[in-house]
Amino acid sequence: GQQLNQSPQSMFIQEGEDVSMNCTSSSIFNTWLWYKQDPGEGPVLLIALYKAGELTSNGRLTAQFGITRKDSFLNISASIPSDVGIYFCAGQLGGATNKLIFGTGTLLAVQP
Amino acid sequence: DGGITQSPKYLFRKEGQNVTLSCEQNLNHDAMYWYRQDPGQGLRLIYYSQIVNDFQKGDIAEGYSVSREKKESFPLTVTSAQKNPTAFYLCASSPRGRMQETQYFGPGTRLLVL
Repeated sequence: GQQLNQSPQSMFIQEGEDVSMNCTSSSIFNTWLWYKQDPGEGPVLLIALYKAGELTSNGRLTAQFGITRKDSFLNISASIPSDVGIYFCAGQLGGATNKLIFGTGTLLAVQP
Repeated sequence: DGGITQSPKYLFRKEGQNVTLSCEQNLNHDAMYWYRQDPGQGLRLIYYSQIVNDFQKGDIAEGYSVSREKKESFPLTVTSAQKNPTAFYLCASSPRGRMQETQYFGPGTRLLVL
């Protein structure tokens, strides 16, 4: 099955630093979603984006739906230890193929 | 509380045995999904159901079967035909019968084949 290109694969940062990760695709998406997964748990939805160019915030998290509809980024400001986890992007195709495609994930480690 | 429950959290199976993973939701969502997650990889879609008594194969349906007899329940059976069943299995649901809606996940079941 198809997967999105998500980068970086992993990040090791100090508490208080800002973080940025992104996803790109050769396909155009109608929706972009960002999830966080803690070890041994299911992914939890962080932000949902429904329109090209949309910029949405959720606390210290900000995500944007790229103008070309082929990319999205997630920023985390002033990271804290509980931000540790795996972050996944997911895009939804339109038209006849209308399913969710997941990125391979970004592992974030935050050093106190 | 509304949500998605999966049971059990850990499941052990002997090679050659079928095993059924439970997924229940009380969110009144129409659509439900099963994903498989392997270490270092994203989620891959096994089966999905947009309405009761109907379901469709995802990208990796071979060796799996599902049923959707009730709106709130979508059990997944891992059959002996699945060659590499050890993985983390995630169930999700979304509010309407189209896959355009945001999906919400359960806590997952980790299956280990001995």
